[in-house]
Amino acid sequence: EPEVTQTPSHQVTQMGQEVILRCVPISNHLYFYWYRQILGQKVEFLVSFYNNEISEKSEIFDDQFSVERPDGSNFTLKIRSTKLEDSAMYFCASTRPGQGAADTQYFGPGTRLTVL
Amino acid sequence: AQKITQTQPGMFVQEKEAVTLDCTYDTSDPSYGLFWYKQPSSGEMIFLIYQGSYDQQNATEGRYSLNFQKARKSANLVISASQLGDSAMYFCAMRETGGGNKLTFGTGTQLKVEL
Repeated sequence: EPEVTQTPSHQVTQMGQEVILRCVPISNHLYFYWYRQILGQKVEFLVSFYNNEISEKSEIFDDQFSVERPDGSNFTLKIRSTKLEDSAMYFCASTRPGQGAADTQYFGPGTRLTVL
Repeated sequence: AQKITQTQPGMFVQEKEAVTLDCTYDTSDPSYGLFWYKQPSSGEMIFLIYQGSYDQQNATEGRYSLNFQKARKSANLVISASQLGDSAMYFCAMRETGGGNKLTFGTGTQLKVEL
């Protein structure tokens, strides 16, 4: 069964450093998302991406964040200058197109980002 | 106001018993979808079941069923014949058609299945 994959599974970085989190969505999916989950808290939406552009972003997704689909398979989240409060689990998700509210988002296993 | 409310931070159930995890939602969008995800201790988010706002029947997927009461704006997850492997965090989420594609999650319920 196809699945969303994410690398790395765990990333440790120093405050102020740039990180790139990578995702490979399910191959026939066209909508891609990033969510984050601070330890012990609920999952929060960051950004959605469709047709090579951001379709929606949350207040969390400020100028320090960017997303890119550099080729036909990868979808990346970049944090330019990490802060301590960016420490969280980051999930990538993808959906099939055109089913309205029935679109089910399938999540990757997550990348745990630790900012020291 | 919270869009998704899960009032049970933790639940215990004995193996082979059924358990209901509560979820209420708030939306003015007539078209929406409700989802349940399971998050085991390993951290991944596993899709369990979906209910559309216009669906006439309650959704079922194996041992999972959704008790959808539209007038009360509730979408409770029922797990029948609980197994030890059901021990996990369970999240209710909503997708509003007028709210873009994003999912809005509740705070989750930690379920522990005991022998």
